[in-house]
Amino acid sequence: AQSVAQPEDQVNVAEGNPLTVKCTYSVSGNPYLFWYVQYPNRGLQFLLKYITGDNLVKGSYGFEAEFNKSQTSFHLKKPSALVSDSALYFCAVRDTRTGGYQKVTFGTGTKLQVIP
Amino acid sequence: DGGITQSPKYLFRKEGQNVTLSCEQNLNHDAMYWYRQDPGQGLRLIYYSQIVNDFQKGDIAEGYSVSREKKESFPLTVTSAQKNPTAFYLCASTQRGEVGGELFFGEGSRLTVL
Repeated sequence: AQSVAQPEDQVNVAEGNPLTVKCTYSVSGNPYLFWYVQYPNRGLQFLLKYITGDNLVKGSYGFEAEFNKSQTSFHLKKPSALVSDSALYFCAVRDTRTGGYQKVTFGTGTKLQVIP
Repeated sequence: DGGITQSPKYLFRKEGQNVTLSCEQNLNHDAMYWYRQDPGQGLRLIYYSQIVNDFQKGDIAEGYSVSREKKESFPLTVTSAQKNPTAFYLCASTQRGEVGGELFFGEGSRLTVL
């Protein structure tokens, strides 16, 4: 079975400081990994994904994530936080089987609060 | 612009009533999904459909039903058998078979049982 852990329910960071939102995963084969962001009472928006290749993935709004296979982690990072980055962030893992249903498992989410 | 439209945004229901949540997409995606979101629990899969006239139960299908008569549409009915239906419901889609393809989400429907 595959799983995703987001160990922090909430992360507080001062505006302008770097931010990190942690994610670890468990999957039987090679993972596809995703980060999504959700603003209050809205749907999820895709930020970035890792499929293969370079371990550092760049995405929307200046976010990036580093895939670390040995630590089974996919932490989300941004060099300088903005107040507008305050939202709920979800990490997700997808089965690498081709064809058929590709199950996506989501973490429980981390609330990011950027303090002015 | 392509996207997923969910309606209604907010819905109130009395106990014992069935309600249907609409999900329409114009992304030409084959696969569609319904998730339920509760605080602190992430997203849990209710039903999914990979092609028209076919759908499968997810992790928490009890008390829910779906249909997939058209590629663009995947409505979800919350029946009176669902014991705790108050939640935020999210519809999503993706292109079936696309390697590592991300999910596209609608804006959600918030159901409150009175």
